[in-house]
Amino acid sequence: DAKTTQPNSMESNEEEPVHLPCNHSTISGTDYIHWYRQLPSQGPEYVIHGLTSNVNNRMASLAIAEDRKSSTLILHRATLRDAAVYYCIPRIQGAQKLVFGQGTRLTINP
Amino acid sequence: DSGVTQTPKHLITATGQRVTLRCSPRSGDLSVYWYQQSLDQGLQFLIQYYNGEERAKGNILERFSAQQFPDLHSELNLSSLELGDSALYFCASSEKSLDTQYFGPGTRLTVL
Repeated sequence: DAKTTQPNSMESNEEEPVHLPCNHSTISGTDYIHWYRQLPSQGPEYVIHGLTSNVNNRMASLAIAEDRKSSTLILHRATLRDAAVYYCIPRIQGAQKLVFGQGTRLTINP
Repeated sequence: DSGVTQTPKHLITATGQRVTLRCSPRSGDLSVYWYQQSLDQGLQFLIQYYNGEERAKGNILERFSAQQFPDLHSELNLSSLELGDSALYFCASSEKSLDTQYFGPGTRLTVL
């Protein structure tokens, strides 16, 4: 499994953009990069995933470095509801499981 | 609401006992996954079933077993419980084996 490095914690203010970084230098060429988040007292929730090019959905954007050794999850306008632990997960092609690391605990200040 | 349901929400039991956790996947999802979340180990994959058959196995103890029934619901059986088995147990489901996983709210197991 590809190893990931994420900051233990980050803090931002409501209505400001948040950039959550992830290093995954051992990722293989066919691994997708998935992001999940876990809100307090809830199960993990899918956020976004991508392979090479940047991706957008209604929740967030994912910017993937050209060498694919890092990626950044972008929340364009954080709300209090975005306070959660965010997990960056390289998903090995053909792998059934998700391998969760420690993630980044994001705190949003009102 | 992910559409995945888990029962019970909380379970308190004693060491040496056996418990069964139940999961109902989202309508139409064939794949069910079980994960354990403890303070020291984080979120760990236990086992996956696809349309009734075991598809992948992770760090699941021999004291633990699971199955998926014809109606696609799944049960995780934990026996000879130890204090260290206290954790949150999450079930997830996906339409096919490699799709996005949708997680349930979890069952909090406390072993006293």
